[in-house]
Amino acid sequence: NAGVTQTPKFQVLKTGQSMTLQCAQDMNHNSMYWYRQDPGMGLRLIYYSASEGTTDKGEVPNGYNVSRLNKREFSLRLESAAPSQTSVYFCASREGQRYGYTFGSGTRLTVV
Amino acid sequence: AQSVTQLDSQVPVFEEAPVELRCNYSSSVSVYLFWYVQYPNQGLQLLLKYLSGSTLVESINGFEAEFNKSQTSFHLRKPSVHISDTAEYFCAVSEGRSQGNLIFGKGTKLSVKP
Repeated sequence: NAGVTQTPKFQVLKTGQSMTLQCAQDMNHNSMYWYRQDPGMGLRLIYYSASEGTTDKGEVPNGYNVSRLNKREFSLRLESAAPSQTSVYFCASREGQRYGYTFGSGTRLTVV
Repeated sequence: AQSVTQLDSQVPVFEEAPVELRCNYSSSVSVYLFWYVQYPNQGLQLLLKYLSGSTLVESINGFEAEFNKSQTSFHLRKPSVHISDTAEYFCAVSEGRSQGNLIFGKGTKLSVKP
């Protein structure tokens, strides 16, 4: 089925470890996004990519980096994980301004 | 700057009762408005959206939302809820320009009791 695929679904890291969250979409969307979801905080934008080859910071970019590898893939990297980065991470893509986002199923990350 | 306020963090309601989930936004320009639903341990799914035209928009499962420009609101309603409507609902807004990212409210947890 067409959509946004995120891997892994679950991950436990130790403080200071690094990891990359993968995201791929097969809908030929130009824009891709990374959000984090924390209880009572809603969704907060980490980074986004308006088109292939561009990336921009969102509301909470500190401690993260991103790569728009090609039109399909947009990865999120934690270089040195901290307990404050324990969260559920969602990747999303969008065809255009008039369309809502299509979300992946999320990655639940715990940093101990 | 844009912001979205969902006035109720939790709404408990009995099955078959009506429900209204409130959403207010702040923006000085024209906006696009969205409601998303998140079932437990799942991603967000688009429920309905307002872009222009008729201020009342409907979803396929009986929800509706009305855009009120003067009150800058986009409240979500359903006349009779089911147990299966138990979920978290997010209101989101983007400015009607070339690259307006979605700004989300903090969510409202709807709990439908038998």
